[in-house]
Amino acid sequence: EAGVTQFPSHSVIEKGQTVTLRCDPISGHDNLYWYRRVMGKEIKFLLHFVKESKQDESGMPNNRFLAERTGGTYSTLKVQPAELEDSGVYFCASILAITGELFFGEGSRLTVL
Amino acid sequence: GQNIDQPTEMTATEGAIVQINCTYQTSGFNGLFWYQQHAGEAPTFLSYNVLDGLEEKGRFSSFLSRSKGYSYLLLKELQMKDSASYLCAVTDSNYQLIWGAGTKLIIKP
Repeated sequence: EAGVTQFPSHSVIEKGQTVTLRCDPISGHDNLYWYRRVMGKEIKFLLHFVKESKQDESGMPNNRFLAERTGGTYSTLKVQPAELEDSGVYFCASILAITGELFFGEGSRLTVL
Repeated sequence: GQNIDQPTEMTATEGAIVQINCTYQTSGFNGLFWYQQHAGEAPTFLSYNVLDGLEEKGRFSSFLSRSKGYSYLLLKELQMKDSASYLCAVTDSNYQLIWGAGTKLIIKP
């Protein structure tokens, strides 16, 4: 069974540009989470999808971040325009049941210059 | 506010035993996770505790005391490959995962 996959693995962009990160959860997993880890700091929750609906987006830092999950399958996280402080590793995770194990993707490293 | 506390860094010797502690204060509690993360990689699941007591899984064991807001991860027969960050995370009443900053474990020969 394929795991959670994320693309791209690493993206280097300049301040002001746009980047879109993609996450393909494990097939059948309705719950999808986005997290971010900034260098040297703890993992921070960004948002939680249940199928195509945003269950909780309280962790989204500001309106430069837009997440979508059309059709309840893959999800995208767009940062527009990117700022220096957006640099970090963005992890996606999916889970079958709300109290089960989270399966993480390898992460997308974003570097904003 | 909600917070998870764990030591920043620990050092142990190959073959020995190490205990990594985690204390938490959250709005509600629906389970505690331990994850292992090697540098540059995604976290991998180690354990999940929702009831008090000790859960043993091979060389790794995890303990939970809900009344004390306390958990520990016990690693036995340490191997060099166990050098990694160990992350404690708690699901609160909204099933949101609250993460600790992680404990960097250094294993020496």
